[in-house]
Amino acid sequence: DGGITQSPKYLFRKEGQNVTLSCEQNLNHDAMYWYRQDPGQGLRLIYYSQIVNDFQKGDIAEGYSVSREKKESFPLTVTSAQKNPTAFYLCASNSHPGEETQYFGPGTRLLVL
Amino acid sequence: AQSVSQHNHHVILSEAASLELGCNYSYGGTVNLFWYVQYPGQHLQLLLKYFSGDPLVKGIKGFEAEFIKSKFSFNLRKPSVQWSDTAEYFCAVIAFSGGYNKLIFGAGTRLAVHP
Repeated sequence: DGGITQSPKYLFRKEGQNVTLSCEQNLNHDAMYWYRQDPGQGLRLIYYSQIVNDFQKGDIAEGYSVSREKKESFPLTVTSAQKNPTAFYLCASNSHPGEETQYFGPGTRLLVL
Repeated sequence: AQSVSQHNHHVILSEAASLELGCNYSYGGTVNLFWYVQYPGQHLQLLLKYFSGDPLVKGIKGFEAEFIKSKFSFNLRKPSVQWSDTAEYFCAVIAFSGGYNKLIFGAGTRLAVHP
């Protein structure tokens, strides 16, 4: 089955802790994206990567970091600098940036203890 | 900056009622337009898209949308909704401006359909 997987489904973070959300795709897509979904605000772009070993900040990158060491993987780290991390995080990919449809993973809900 | 506005945050309908969800965007150049749907507990998935050609596009599950360039709009419609259409709907736009062309989402509309 081709698709995007995200793990874990739920993640709990303690104050001052960094946590990493996993995103894997087996669609052979070049571009990958991380979005944050908050009620009433739609999806906001955190980071994106158009090719391996390259990534760019989106609209709300502060307090987050990413890496793209492999084409199929784009993990997101929520650092202690992110003061309001409670949200639903969605990973997406497409074959190339721009006009192609983006395909979304099932999401990870992050909660702060 | 480009933006997408969805006018209704919550819509409540009875089954068999007609649906129209508004979407307006702010960008004067070439755009690609999308409607995504998120059913409870499921992935965000593509409902329909417009790239070029006939401005009236048909998507899955009986949905359609009309691109009206002069109004910067891409409203979603369905003649008769079903209980299973209960979901959150997101309008999204790619505005081509050179460099990276970002997908911009509206805030979403929560649709509740009562039997």
